[in-house]
Amino acid sequence: SQTIHQWPATLVQPVGSPLSLECTVEGTSNPNLYWYRQAAGRGLQLLFYSVGIGQISSEVPQNLSASRPQDRQFILSSKKLLLSDSGFYLCAWSVTSLSYEQYFGPGTRLTVT
Amino acid sequence: QKEVEQNSGPLSVPEGAIASLNCTYSDRGSQSFFWYRQYSGKSPELIMFIYSNGDKEDGRFTAQLNKASQYVSLLIRDSQPSDSATYLCAVMRGSARQLTFGSGTQLTVLP
Repeated sequence: SQTIHQWPATLVQPVGSPLSLECTVEGTSNPNLYWYRQAAGRGLQLLFYSVGIGQISSEVPQNLSASRPQDRQFILSSKKLLLSDSGFYLCAWSVTSLSYEQYFGPGTRLTVT
Repeated sequence: QKEVEQNSGPLSVPEGAIASLNCTYSDRGSQSFFWYRQYSGKSPELIMFIYSNGDKEDGRFTAQLNKASQYVSLLIRDSQPSDSATYLCAVMRGSARQLTFGSGTQLTVLP
């Protein structure tokens, strides 16, 4: 069965520090991968998506970036964090079938201080 | 107009009742629709998806889709306190099958 991992689970970082969040998927090949952010009390916002290795699309302009160095690995990065980057970061993968339903990882809760 | 709209709630129902959650979307060309449940502090969990007009049933859950009215709903029968959570409606779009989410409806089932 498919499993999605994210780490770390929680992170507290000062403003201006770098960020690297990692997501890996097991049990599937060539999945579509997605990064979402959920700010406190707000809905899910799609940040990036990837349909293959090295293929990254951005949904919103921001100081974050994403990379997909391997088929089942998706990384979210920042060179300098802002206070507004605080939130719950969720990685998701989708089955490449008729329905393309998405499944979420456990998430990383980031607090920028 | 937001792409996906949900009543934010909170919605309270007594245990054993039917909970009805509603969602409207703006893109008439949307094809696939999803309902997620999110417990406080946890990641969203897929409950159901639907892409044909009509009803789709899975246990105590029924998803209803009306593309002409651009309306999708989720019914929870025999609601239990464990159903208390935020329910997110999502609409699929784009070549990479991206999801656009509503802001969610908070449901409380009272014992």
